[in-house]
Amino acid sequence: EIVLTQSPGTLSLSPGERATLSCRASQNVRYNYLAWYQQKPGQAPRLLVYSASSRATGIPDRFSGTGSGTDFTLTISRLAPEDFAVYYCQQYGSSPVTFGGGTKVEI
Amino acid sequence: EVQLVESGGGLVQPGRSLRLSCAASGFKFDDYAIHWVRQAPGKGLEWVSYINWNSRDILYADSVKGRFTISRDNARNSVSLQMDSLGSEDTALYYCAKGRGSSFRDSFDVWGQGTVVSVSS
Repeated sequence: EIVLTQSPGTLSLSPGERATLSCRASQNVRYNYLAWYQQKPGQAPRLLVYSASSRATGIPDRFSGTGSGTDFTLTISRLAPEDFAVYYCQQYGSSPVTFGGGTKVEI
Repeated sequence: EVQLVESGGGLVQPGRSLRLSCAASGFKFDDYAIHWVRQAPGKGLEWVSYINWNSRDILYADSVKGRFTISRDNARNSVSLQMDSLGSEDTALYYCAKGRGSSFRDSFDVWGQGTVVSVSS
């Protein structure tokens, strides 16, 4: 099973600042099948990025994903008020699908 | 509108069973894989199970293997999760999620709002 470790656990920033979230895998993620999700309180997760760097439909271009192999990053270039949430990475290249523990982006 | 709606959750005693359903609308259901993902109170996301478009490929997390059974009915645009021998560790909000493609290796682009399963005596 691939273990995904997200850091930091909590990121305290202000609107307009840049957020950099890390996701490290315990072994190579096959085909770089790594996704990022955003979850707000009381809501279901929302897909932001898939295949490490492809933005999902309707996702603003301030969200960008990079990385390959075992190291992946989600960057939010300028935080908007609605971006404060918990972010999860997910690998789906190998069974079982696994999620990271999440990074909370807070004001 | 592309939508998934879960139902069937509730309070159940340890050792008993529960059957969850996921009703899909707004897309060609039999073109896509469906997954179940759960989230224990205050915790992160845990993948539970997957079924491909034609039910020939099914996978389970080790934590539920042998106790949970996933199935789908493409004629009714629905997926079910039969959960047996429930324990307190199964208490969670259960989401169904649509794969971006028909098989396992794809991200989840549509999620339902979830149904709560609470296992307690």
